[in-house]
Amino acid sequence: KAGVTQTPRYLIKTRGQQVTLSCSPISGHRSVSWYQQTPGQGLQFLFEYFSETQRNKGNFPGRFSGRQFSNSRSEMNVSTLELGDSALYLCASRKQGTVSNTEAFFGQGTRLTVV
Amino acid sequence: AQTVTQSQPEMSVQEAETVTLSCTYDTSENNYYLFWYKQPPSRQMILVIRQEAYKQQNATENRFSVNFQKAAKSFSLKISDSQLGDTAMYFCAFMKPLSTGTASKLTFGTGTRLQVTL
Repeated sequence: KAGVTQTPRYLIKTRGQQVTLSCSPISGHRSVSWYQQTPGQGLQFLFEYFSETQRNKGNFPGRFSGRQFSNSRSEMNVSTLELGDSALYLCASRKQGTVSNTEAFFGQGTRLTVV
Repeated sequence: AQTVTQSQPEMSVQEAETVTLSCTYDTSENNYYLFWYKQPPSRQMILVIRQEAYKQQNATENRFSVNFQKAAKSFSLKISDSQLGDTAMYFCAFMKPLSTGTASKLTFGTGTRLQVTL
C-alpha cells in the first residue's frame, strides 16, 4: 500500500512568485492536513481538508491557500512568496477524520527554498 | 490555546540503554489525545505511540512506553534497549477533537534530537 506522496520533493522559487505543492494521500484516506516546519517556528498547522471542504485552518496569512479534489488529492498554494516561507511543508492523511482514526500518516515533505 | 513543551533540545544514549524524553502540555480540555512522533533524517514523521487522555493505563508499543500524568500534564516517552535506528528528532504532539467528535489538528512541541551511540 503506497504511503502519502508529496511532489515535488525540492523546490526553489524567487520572492514574489507563487508555488503549488501537491499531496496524494493513502488510498481510502479522505482527510488531508498540511503543516509548515521551520527551524524557528517548529511545526505549525496550516489547514485540513475533508471531502473537498476545508474543515480547519491555522493562523497563516491569506497568501496560503489549499484545496482538495474529489479523489482526495490536495494542493496548497502560496502566492507572493517571501523569504520567510522557506520551509519543509508536510502533508498528512487520515482515514476518515473521526476521533477513532487519530493516526496521521505523513509524507516526506516538500522542501521549499525562497531566494 | 494548547501548548506543548519539550525542554530537552538534545539527548544522547548508548545503544541498549534506556532513555526518557520529557513533554509537558497546557490545556483546559478534559478529552484529548497525545502522541509521540519520530522524524528521522529522511524527514518523514512516523507515529511512535498514542495515548488517549481518558485512559489511565500508560500506552506501550514494544520498546516504547509512556508515563502519562494527567494531573501534572506530563507525557514522557521511555525508549528501552535503544537502537541505532532510534536516532531521530522526537516530537510530542497534542490533539483536541473537534466538537463534532472528529480528529483535528496536531499541536507539536519543539522536538528533542536523540542520538544513539555505540
